[in-house]
Amino acid sequence: DAKTTQPPSMDCAEGRAANLPCNHSTISGNEYVYWYRQIHSQGPQYIIHGLKNNETNEMASLIITEDRKSSTLILPHATLRDTAVYYCIVRVAGSSNTGKLIFGQGTTLQVKP
Amino acid sequence: NAGVTQTPKFRVLKTGQSMTLLCAQDMNHEYMYWYRQDPGMGLRLIHYSVGEGTTAKGEVPDGYNVSRLKKQNFLLGLESAAPSQTSVYFCASSYPSGVTSYNEQFFGPGTRLTVL
Repeated sequence: DAKTTQPPSMDCAEGRAANLPCNHSTISGNEYVYWYRQIHSQGPQYIIHGLKNNETNEMASLIITEDRKSSTLILPHATLRDTAVYYCIVRVAGSSNTGKLIFGQGTTLQVKP
Repeated sequence: NAGVTQTPKFRVLKTGQSMTLLCAQDMNHEYMYWYRQDPGMGLRLIHYSVGEGTTAKGEVPDGYNVSRLKKQNFLLGLESAAPSQTSVYFCASSYPSGVTSYNEQFFGPGTRLTVL
């Protein structure tokens, strides 16, 4: 599975968009990009995933560059409850995959009032 | 629908003691996982299971054993606890992912274990 690089920390003003970058320059063609977040002391929570097209759901948007070497998770209107550690994970999907997730250290997002 | 539950929530052990952590899920998921998280670190996979009666090693399996006798339960055992096993332990479960689909992992609230 490809390795990811994320900034260790970021700040965002409440109500503004939070843009969290992730670099995955060694990603291969069959690897997806997944985002999870972990609010203090809780178990991680799935946010979104994508292969090459941009994706949006009720929580966030995922923008993947055309060469797929980097991506950005966007929280359109950050709230204080979005303060958390955000993990970008790259791995192969498919029925032969056992679903294992390899977590890095993630980005600590601090949303400030 | 309780999701993923973990028992106990907290535990303090002395070096050399043994214990079992229980994970239970009521979502009929095939796959189950045990992770550990040390302070300031991401989660690391200990063991996982892709179905009842099957288990496999993850990144950091040494010092742990697991069993999946029932589909809804996944047990993590420490036979002889060491201070290096002081950590927060998370259990997760999911359906298998398809070729073009992904089934998210659902995590439990964690067990905070201290080994003195």
